[in-house]
Amino acid sequence: GAGVSQSPSNKVTEKGKDVELRCDPISGHTALYWYRQSLGQGLEFLIYFQGNSAPDKSGLPSDRFSAERTGGSVSTLTIQRTQQEDSAVYLCASSFFSGGRTGELFFGEGSRLTVL
Amino acid sequence: AQSVTQLDSQVPVFEEAPVELRCNYSSSVSVYLFWYVQYPNQGLQLLLKYLSGSTLVESINGFEAEFNKSQTSFHLRKPSVHISDTAEYFCAVTKGGSEKLVFGKGTKLTVNP
Repeated sequence: GAGVSQSPSNKVTEKGKDVELRCDPISGHTALYWYRQSLGQGLEFLIYFQGNSAPDKSGLPSDRFSAERTGGSVSTLTIQRTQQEDSAVYLCASSFFSGGRTGELFFGEGSRLTVL
Repeated sequence: AQSVTQLDSQVPVFEEAPVELRCNYSSSVSVYLFWYVQYPNQGLQLLLKYLSGSTLVESINGFEAEFNKSQTSFHLRKPSVHISDTAEYFCAVTKGGSEKLVFGKGTKLTVNP
């Protein structure tokens, strides 16, 4: 597809289970971001990948969160031992150049996670 | 660390009225500034950006924002809003040379008939 694709669009899980969220960026985009959107909290930066550089993981809220990007394309965000406070919409974005320089991030429609 | 403050969480206005959505940022160095919009049930998309040059930037749908360095502000304005402008608007900032884009908490604009 032409845009950023995220799956699943909705995920309901039980507290303590692990979840994986997938992001397929726009072909050729070198930068990939994960953000978390919670009600009233705006967009919280989680992690940033740029080419072959080490990712910026400074926004990950705890060691239960991890992300990888395989082959410079698809990315997976993993949340282990989910907690109710992890419930949110997880957004992925990609950009051709370094997104922070141009601001032209292209966002997916998000994965809504509900932890019961 | 960069931070962005959007002073109003919700702004209700009537159609054809003017609107201003406020955004202030914290930084003592050069910054790039952006407004993103999220229409109901859609993903975020770039509305406009300031990188350098003219401090007044415009979008294709009539919004404009002015970079004010002395007041560290980047308020979004439109002289006459439409029902279709109902959306959530996010201000974002990145320090020049930094890749991390920091967002504000968003302002929900509701345009009523």
